[in-house]
Amino acid sequence: EAGVTQFPSHSVIEKGQTVTLRCDPISGHDNLYWYRRVMGKEIKFLLHFVKESKQDESGMPNNRFLAERTGGTYSTLKVQPAELEDSGVYFCASSQVPTDTYEQYFGPGTRLTVT
Amino acid sequence: TQLLEQSPQFLSIQEGENLTVYCNSSSVFSSLQWYRQEPGEGPVLLVTVVTGGEVKKLKRLTFQFGDARKDSSLHITAAQTGDTGLYLCAADGGRYFQGAQKLVFGQGTRLTINP
Repeated sequence: EAGVTQFPSHSVIEKGQTVTLRCDPISGHDNLYWYRRVMGKEIKFLLHFVKESKQDESGMPNNRFLAERTGGTYSTLKVQPAELEDSGVYFCASSQVPTDTYEQYFGPGTRLTVT
Repeated sequence: TQLLEQSPQFLSIQEGENLTVYCNSSSVFSSLQWYRQEPGEGPVLLVTVVTGGEVKKLKRLTFQFGDARKDSSLHITAAQTGDTGLYLCAADGGRYFQGAQKLVFGQGTRLTINP
């Protein structure tokens, strides 16, 4: 069974540019999550999809971030325009229909560098 | 304010020694996970503990959930160089969040086992 995949693995962009990150969850997983780790900080929750619906987007930093999951399969996270503080590693995770133990499976992450 | 405090943040020991890593909080959690992350990869789930006082073993790794479900420990017996990595604890959002699907992470313990 293929795991969670993310693309690209690395992205270097200039301040003010736009970047789109993609996540393909494990097949059959309705729950998809985005997390971010900025330098020196812990991994922090951004948002959660159940199929194509946003269940919780309380962790999104501001309106420069837009997440979509059309069709309830893969998801994209767009940052427009990017700022220096957006640099970090963006992780995607997926899980099956909610269980009591909240187990999530993570992708390898996209390392975003804004210069 | 961090909800999960991990200690120590860095630990370097010799192969064959034992070690314990701690994950503490003032919040009560319904479950807690331990992950291991290698460079360039996403966190990989090691174990989930659910019941207060629960102890789980994974080969040389022993995980314990505190009786009050506020803290956890990871003990490694006879550490090997292959145990080197970043160990993260994560818990559900607890009573600080409305959504039940968010994971809250500690900053991690970077473990180095020297030959």
